[in-house]
Amino acid sequence: GIQVEQSPPDLILQEGANSTLRCNFSDSVNNLQWFHQNPWGQLINLFYIPSGTKQNGRLSATTVATERYSLLYISSSQTTDSGVYFCAVGYNFNKFYFGSGTKLNVKP
Amino acid sequence: DADVTQTPRNRITKTGKRIMLECSQTKGHDRMYWYRQDPGLGLRLIYYSFDVKDINKGEISDGYSVSRQAQAKFSLSLESAIPNQTALYFCATNGQGAGANEQFFGPGTRLTVL
Repeated sequence: GIQVEQSPPDLILQEGANSTLRCNFSDSVNNLQWFHQNPWGQLINLFYIPSGTKQNGRLSATTVATERYSLLYISSSQTTDSGVYFCAVGYNFNKFYFGSGTKLNVKP
Repeated sequence: DADVTQTPRNRITKTGKRIMLECSQTKGHDRMYWYRQDPGLGLRLIYYSFDVKDINKGEISDGYSVSRQAQAKFSLSLESAIPNQTALYFCATNGQGAGANEQFFGPGTRLTVL
């Protein structure tokens, strides 16, 4: 299967700070999603971004498929951004492979 | 109403018991998936189904079975539960074709096997 590596594994920020989360993958993909898992365990879709750049409020994401990585940017972080961020990839609409996540703790 | 629902949301059972987790979706998607998540880890695929007659094993299918009763329903069974199957279980769906590949998750079922 496709190997997915996320970095950093843990991140502590002061409220208001910016951060960049990275997702590297080992093979060609045509499906990539970023999720936020909140403290209650719910998985929230952030971006569907197999290539290019998207922005949604304080969050943005960029995927460079030819170089096999994706970045998630969080600006002006808030305590509600805390949780675990997952990257998931797939090819030809088949199985999806998840990274181990980045655990983010935003302190007030 | 939520597009992907799971029942039960929490379950405590004993070793050796049979248990079924159910998933329903109103998105009209053909593809459905079952994942498990262990503490501190990402999700791992148990089984997936591309339509009612197509069921496939994922990375960690041993000890599990599934049933696709209809396009909208996909159930996961633990025939004889064991403690290391204690985990958070997620159901997911996705569509097909360009622009329809986003995966959507249910709220999860927290299963504890004593």
